[in-house]
Amino acid sequence: QVQLVQSGAEVKRPGASLKVSCKASGYTFTGYYMHWVRQAHGQGPEWLGWINPKSGDTRSAQKFQGRVTMTRDTSINTAYMELSRLKSDDTAVYYCARDRDRLDYYFDYWGQGTLLTVSS
Amino acid sequence: EIVLTQSPATLSLSPGERATLSCRASQSVSSYLAWYQQKPGQAPRLLIYDASNRATGIPARFIGSGSGTAFTLTISSLEAEDFAVYYCQQCSNWPPNTFGQGTKLEIK
Repeated sequence: QVQLVQSGAEVKRPGASLKVSCKASGYTFTGYYMHWVRQAHGQGPEWLGWINPKSGDTRSAQKFQGRVTMTRDTSINTAYMELSRLKSDDTAVYYCARDRDRLDYYFDYWGQGTLLTVSS
Repeated sequence: EIVLTQSPATLSLSPGERATLSCRASQSVSSYLAWYQQKPGQAPRLLIYDASNRATGIPARFIGSGSGTAFTLTISSLEAEDFAVYYCQQCSNWPPNTFGQGTKLEIK
């Protein structure tokens, strides 16, 4: 069965960086785009970007360009998302989510989420 | 940016009743719209994609309809496990996807 397992909760100071991992299993990791989505408490989800695990190509939402870096390690079926220059309003749960089919931007499997708290 | 407006914000119904949730887009998204269900402490779950296609394993009581700017998620007969928050998502335009603010479906 498809599983996405993310790294644990983090507390960061403003200006620091966050790196979240997402280990995939139960399917061909390089066969599906991986997205990163975040959700602040009580809000709707917000898309950050995607990575093509096969090629390493990435694309991010304009709001996060220059601050988000997505990478992957195909030897261990793991995707990573790094967000730099953290601010208090980056406090949210961060999810990896698998693209359903050929970059249709529908997310059919999600990780369990990684809670980020940014506080001085 | 396309804005999705969901209504109502909260819907109070009883098990066995029919639920009708609305999602309106600020401009046409054709049929590139999805619905997700989210329970407390869990990730969202894909229910419907392309406005009316049920995702794998989703029960037939979940029905999506609409196109252009007006979409509806109908739950034909509510079961206890259906009480949750529901989000719509558009995948039509750059940014390639945005989400609504959600409808909370609560037990009356």
